Amino acid sequence: DGGITQSPKYLFRKEGQNVTLSCEQNLNHDAMYWYRQDPGQGLRLIYYSQIVNDFQKGDIAEGYSVSREKKESFPLTVTSAQKNPTAFYLCASSGRGGYGTDTQYFGPGTRLTVL
Amino acid sequence: DAKTTQPPSMDCAEGRAANLPCNHSTISGNEYVYWYRQIHSQGPQYIIHGLKNNETNEMASLIITEDRKSSTLILPHATLRDTAVYYCIVRVGWDYGGATNKLIFGTGTLLAVQP
Repeated sequence: DGGITQSPKYLFRKEGQNVTLSCEQNLNHDAMYWYRQDPGQGLRLIYYSQIVNDFQKGDIAEGYSVSREKKESFPLTVTSAQKNPTAFYLCASSGRGGYGTDTQYFGPGTRLTVL
Repeated sequence: DAKTTQPPSMDCAEGRAANLPCNHSTISGNEYVYWYRQIHSQGPQYIIHGLKNNETNEMASLIITEDRKSSTLILPHATLRDTAVYYCIVRVGWDYGGATNKLIFGTGTLLAVQP
C-alpha cells in the first residue's frame, strides 16, 4: 500500500457538513475504489472507477459522490445526505488486466467521525 | 461472486506455522481465491491469490484443494506482527469477464499469535 495515500488519517466534522476524503495513487493503475468499514464488519463498496472520467455506484453509494478527473486521484465526498457517515474509509487501486494484474491494493484509510 | 466461510478466530504460537482454512464450496471455475489481512486500524494488505494451482510468495503459501471447494493459507513461521484479521475472498477476474472487480469481504478470521 506504499503507493496509495489517503489524507487525513483522522477527520472530524459536524453533522450536516459535507466532507471530502483524498485518495492519490502513483501505481499507474487505471481502476480505483472506495470502501467503507464499520466496526467488526467487512468492507463494503461505495464507488469504483475503471478509467478516468468514468465511475459507477457500488453497493452503498447513497449519500456519497466521487469524481475521477485524473488517473492518480479519486476523491470521495461524504454529503449531509449520508445518514451514518462515521466509519473507516478505505481507498484501493488496481490494474485492469487479468492474471493478477487486477489485484487491489489499499491505502491506510481515513477514519471519519461526525459529531 | 461466491461466498466464503472462515472460522472467526484462531490462535498460533510464535514461530510455528499458522494454517488458516477457508471454505468456498460454490466457487465457479473462473473465480480466483484471494487472501488479504488487516491489522487493526490499517488498510487491508494483499497476501496471495490463486486459481487452481498452489501458490507461494515471500509472505505465505496458498493450498487449493483439487475440487477448489476449499483452501488453506499457510504462514510458515508466524510472528507477533502477523496478528491480524485474515480475509478469504473469491471473485471473477477481468481476464474471465469479471465486471466490477468488486471484493466481497466477510468478517474473516482473527489470528492471534501468542508469544
